This record gives sequence, C-alpha cells and structure tokens, in this order.
Amino acid sequence: AQSVTQPDIHITVSEGASLELRCNYSYGATPYLFWYVQSPGQGLQLLLKYFSGDTLVQGIKGFEAEFKRSQSSFNLRKPSVHWSDAAEYFCAVGGTPSNDYKLSFGAGTTVTVRA
Amino acid sequence: DSGVTQTPKHLITATGQRVTLRCSPRSGDLSVYWYQQSLDQGLQFLIHYYNGEERAKGNILERFSAQQFPDLHSELNLSSLELGDSALYFCASSVEPSGGATDTQYFGPGTRLTVL
Repeated sequence: AQSVTQPDIHITVSEGASLELRCNYSYGATPYLFWYVQSPGQGLQLLLKYFSGDTLVQGIKGFEAEFKRSQSSFNLRKPSVHWSDAAEYFCAVGGTPSNDYKLSFGAGTTVTVRA
Repeated sequence: DSGVTQTPKHLITATGQRVTLRCSPRSGDLSVYWYQQSLDQGLQFLIHYYNGEERAKGNILERFSAQQFPDLHSELNLSSLELGDSALYFCASSVEPSGGATDTQYFGPGTRLTVL
C-alpha cells in the first residue's frame, strides 16, 4: 500500500530565510511524487512533480524538491521564503496505472512566515 | 486557475438531506477524481471516473455516489447527510490513461459542505 508521511505539522520561518519541508513515502514500485500547496480558502495548486529522470525537480514559485530513493524521501525546499508562501503544503504519492491513478496525501505541513 | 471548475462553492444543509456537487474537468481531460478533505481524516481519495466509467473506489461511503456524464462533467451525490460529512470536497482531472506527465491531477477550488 502506498502512504506518505509529513513529519512536521507546523513550521514557522522568517521571511527571507530558507525553507525545507520533509516528505517520506512508502510505495512498492517507482513512485510518482507530487507537492501541492493550499492557500487559505483555496484549492490545491501543483508546485512540482517527479516521475523519472533528474532527481532534483524545479517547480513554480521558486520551489524545488529532491527525490532520494535510498531514503524514500522527496523533500521540498525554497532558498528564500516570501510572506505569500504562508500556506499548507501537501506531499502526495501515486497517480500511476498500478494504483488506478489515485493520489495518497500526507497530513500536510502548515507554514507560517513571520516578518 | 487550474481549469477545473466546481459548483457550488459553499453548501449548507441539514442532517438527513441530500446534495449534489458538480465538477467540470479541464478541456481534454477524460478522468475525474473526487477527494474529501476533513480535519480528522485529511485528504482522502473517494472515487475515480474515466470517460464515463467508474475506475476505482477509495474510502467512499455507501451513502455517496458519483457519475460522469457524456460531456465529461461529474457529479458527486451525498445522501442521508450526517454532521461528520462536513468537509471540503475536491474534484481533480487528468488526461489518463497514458504514462508520464499526463498523469498529473489538477484540482478544482473545492466545495465546502457544512451539515448542521
């Protein structure tokens, strides 16, 4: 069965500081991995995705993520956060034919940005 | 804007009632997925339709049902509503089936259901 763990429920970071959000997955085959962001009262927006190839993936809004198979991790990073990055971030695994394309999400990490 | 539309945006109803949530996928997408986001369960996959046919079921209650119509829009029907059904219901769409980048699911803004 596929599953995702986001160990950090809440992270507070200063504006301009770097951010790293952790994601660990469990999946039987080569995973498809995603990061989505949900701003207050909004839907889910895709930040980036990993299917294969280069393990460092660039996304929108200056985010990047690195796939590490040996650690079953897909951590999200941003070098310098902006106040607008305050949101909830979800890591997801799945979306492949072998699991009927459904996504399994982590519990989410809420990011607070302080001035 | 993902291109996925959901109506209504908010829905307030009473226990025991029935509601219908509507989703229009992105142009060209054949697959529609429904997810429920609640405080206690997080984001849970409910059901997947592809080109009008049910493809997969997740943690969907028997009181809930869905369908996808010939024009590819989908409806999620929730009946005999309980307080615990209060949640944000998301629809997502993707091209599927094919591998690679087309597996990406794009989410709509959600319908917030409040059961009183």
